[in-house]
Amino acid sequence: GQQLNQSPQSMFIQEGEDVSMNCTSSSIFNTWLWYKQDPGEGPVLLIALYKAGELTSNGRLTAQFGITRKDSFLNISASIPSDVGIYFCAGQLGNNDMRFGAGTRLTVKP
Amino acid sequence: NAGVTQTPKFQVLKTGQSMTLQCAQDMNHEYMSWYRQDPGMGLRLIHYSVGAGITDQGEVPNGYNVSRSTTEDFPLRLLSAAPSQTSVYFCASSPGNSLYEQYFGPGTRLTVT
Repeated sequence: GQQLNQSPQSMFIQEGEDVSMNCTSSSIFNTWLWYKQDPGEGPVLLIALYKAGELTSNGRLTAQFGITRKDSFLNISASIPSDVGIYFCAGQLGNNDMRFGAGTRLTVKP
Repeated sequence: NAGVTQTPKFQVLKTGQSMTLQCAQDMNHEYMSWYRQDPGMGLRLIHYSVGAGITDQGEVPNGYNVSRSTTEDFPLRLLSAAPSQTSVYFCASSPGNSLYEQYFGPGTRLTVT
């Protein structure tokens, strides 16, 4: 199936730093979603993007739906220790076909 | 609301055994789905349902069965467990009949020996 390439695989940053991660694909997606997963829990939706070029914020998080509809990025500003976790991008190809990236593992050092 | 609940949280099976992973949601969501999560890979869709009585296959359906007799429940059955089915399984639900804005359960960690 069509894969989402998510990078970086992992990040080690200092508290207060900004973070950027992205997802790319060779396929065109109708929707891009960003999730966060804490250890032992299921993913939780952070931001949903529905239109090419759309830029959406949720607190310190900002995500954009790429103009080509083949990519998306997520930025986290002024990171804090509770930002630690795995961040997943997901793209919707058809009405019932959702594809997930492999995740970016974020570690924040106090 | 409890949201999406899954049982059991952990399970160990021997090759060839069968079992059912339970999933329930109390949000009256039409859409429910099952994913598996393997190390270094994104979640992959196993089966989904757009409403009671309707199910369909996802990306990796082989070895799994589902049924949807009520809006609330969406059990996943492993017919004859294999080591390749060792994974973490997540159930999710969403309002409407699409994948938008899914709510995930806490997961079931399954080991097949």
